[in-house]
Amino acid sequence: EVQLVESGGGLGQPGGSLRLSCAASGFTLSSYSMNWVRQAPGKGLEWVSYISSSSTTIYYVDSVKGRFTISRDNAKNSLYLQMNSLRDEDTAVYYCARVKNGGWYSDYWGQGTLVTVSS
Amino acid sequence: EIVLTQSPDFQSVTPKEKVTITCRASQSIGSSLHWYQQKPHQSPKLLIEYASQSISGVPSRFSGSGSGRDFTLTINSLEAEDAAAYYCHQSSHLPWTFGQGTKVEIK
Repeated sequence: EVQLVESGGGLGQPGGSLRLSCAASGFTLSSYSMNWVRQAPGKGLEWVSYISSSSTTIYYVDSVKGRFTISRDNAKNSLYLQMNSLRDEDTAVYYCARVKNGGWYSDYWGQGTLVTVSS
Repeated sequence: EIVLTQSPDFQSVTPKEKVTITCRASQSIGSSLHWYQQKPHQSPKLLIEYASQSISGVPSRFSGSGSGRDFTLTINSLEAEDAAAYYCHQSSHLPWTFGQGTKVEIK
């Protein structure tokens, strides 16, 4: 069974940093690209970042470029999102999601971790 | 950026009724349009891929159609468990984007 478990969310200060982790199991992480997608409270979904299986291709939505860094450690079956220079508008539930092979969209999602940016 | 506009934003429906949700893209995206269901306090679940291709394990009452700019998700004979928000999502052009969502409520 595919499982994705996010952690690392919590309260972050404006201008501060948080690092999210996603533990993958039930499939071979090294064979899949991964996405981070977020959802502000009561709002819709927003794609944040993509990383290919071998980390050679990385994309970000413009609003996080230069502030967030996606990375992965296939040996540890883990995906990460380093979030720096946090802003109020980064407050959201962050989901890690597996990318369906051959596509760019996600077929399995974790349960999410809540990031709240507030002073 | 490709904007996806869903209609309606909200629908209150009686069980066994048919539900139709539309998604219009601001420019052509071919068939690179996917539908997700998100129940309250849950993560999204993939329902339909590439506009009309069914997903294993998803009930057959869910179907999709369309190409280019206009797409439709149909739920035939709505069941109580279908109460959820539904999102369309395009993977044709970066940044990949989602529609604003359609909330389906059971009367």
